Formats: sequence, C-alpha cells, structure tokens
Amino acid sequence: DVKVTQSSRYLVKRTGEKVFLECVQDMDHENMFWYRQDPGLGLRLIYFSYDVKMKEKGDIPEGYSVSREKKERFSLILESASTNQTSMYLCASSLVRLAKNIQYFGAGTRLSVL
Amino acid sequence: AQSVTQLGSHVSVSEGALVLLRCNYSSSVPPYLFWYVQYPNQGLQLLLKYTSAATLVKGINGFEAEFKKSETSFHLTKPSAHMSDAAEYFCAVNSGGSNYKLTFGKGTLLTVNP
Repeated sequence: DVKVTQSSRYLVKRTGEKVFLECVQDMDHENMFWYRQDPGLGLRLIYFSYDVKMKEKGDIPEGYSVSREKKERFSLILESASTNQTSMYLCASSLVRLAKNIQYFGAGTRLSVL
Repeated sequence: AQSVTQLGSHVSVSEGALVLLRCNYSSSVPPYLFWYVQYPNQGLQLLLKYTSAATLVKGINGFEAEFKKSETSFHLTKPSAHMSDAAEYFCAVNSGGSNYKLTFGKGTLLTVNP
C-alpha cells in the first residue's frame, strides 16, 4: 500500500514564525501536492511538484513556498505565518503525470497560528 | 477550465436508507472523475474513479457512481446506508492532457441517523 506520511498531526505556531510542514511518500511517486482544506471551501491546491527540484504554483500559492530536494520528500514552508493560514494541510502524491492517476493522501496537519 | 459542483453541503439519511450524493462537473474535454471520502481526523481515501471505461463504476464499501455525459453528472449512491458511512465526501475532476491536477468540489457531509 502507498503510504504518505505527514510529520505532524497538530501544530501550534505564533504569528511571524517560519513553519515547515513535511511530507514523505514511500512509493517512488513522481508527483507530490500540497492542499489546504477549509470548511465550506473544500481542498485548494497550494503547490505541486512533478520531479525533484521542480515545482509549480497551484491556485493559492501566496504566502507559501515549497522544497523538493529528494523524490520522496516535499516540504511546505510558511515564511512568516499569519492567522489566516490556520487550516488543515493535506499532502498527496501520485505516480506519474497522467490525469487518470489516483492521488494518495496523508492524514493531514492541523495548523493553528496564534 | 474545469470545475465541480456538489449539491448539498450536508446530507442526512437514516440507517438502511438510500444514499445519494450529487456531483456535477464542467470540463471542456472528456474528464476523469473521482470520489474521495474523508473520515473524521483522517486524510482522503479514494472511493472510486471514472476513466472513460464503463459508465457505471463500483467502488469500495458498496458505493457506486454513474457517469452521465448528457447531464455532466457523476452522482454517488449506496443502496443502504450504514452508520460507518458517516463522513465527508468529495467529488473531483481532472480534465487530462497536460493538466493532471485535480479540482475538488466543496464536499458533502453525510450524517447517518440510527
């Protein structure tokens, strides 16, 4: 089975802090994704990566950056956390750049910015 | 451009009753369609997917969905609801080609009453 692991289930940070959310997948998938999930808004794509060191902006990249130095790891970075970034963050991966491929999700990180 | 509309942010059924969760999509090309389920405090799990083979797709846990091109719909059904079906359900579309990103609906919360 594909396993996507997010390093923290819950995080509490202060406004202005630099925050790292880590995601690791164990199935040699090419694609990795970061979403945020908010009530009533569904999932919105922040960034995705289709290869090591390659990234593309999603629908809501403002205030975020990403890093993919190794194929299995995809990090989401909040350079200066703000209260409006309080949310559930979900990481996903998929095998190759095919539209019909399934995305596999981690359990999520619930981030609170105070 | 692609989009997904899920009618009803909250659906409540009695145990043993029919479950019907509605999803309509917009896509300029033949789409790939997915239903995901999210149990409390967990990530998303694939229920089923449509990839242009059979229009009636069977998934896990007794769920199925029918692709209707004329209605641009992909509604999710289950003949008899079980308490364990209580969760949030997301419909997603991927229009393929060079775009392999999923666009999600806002989700439908299913409540099952005893």
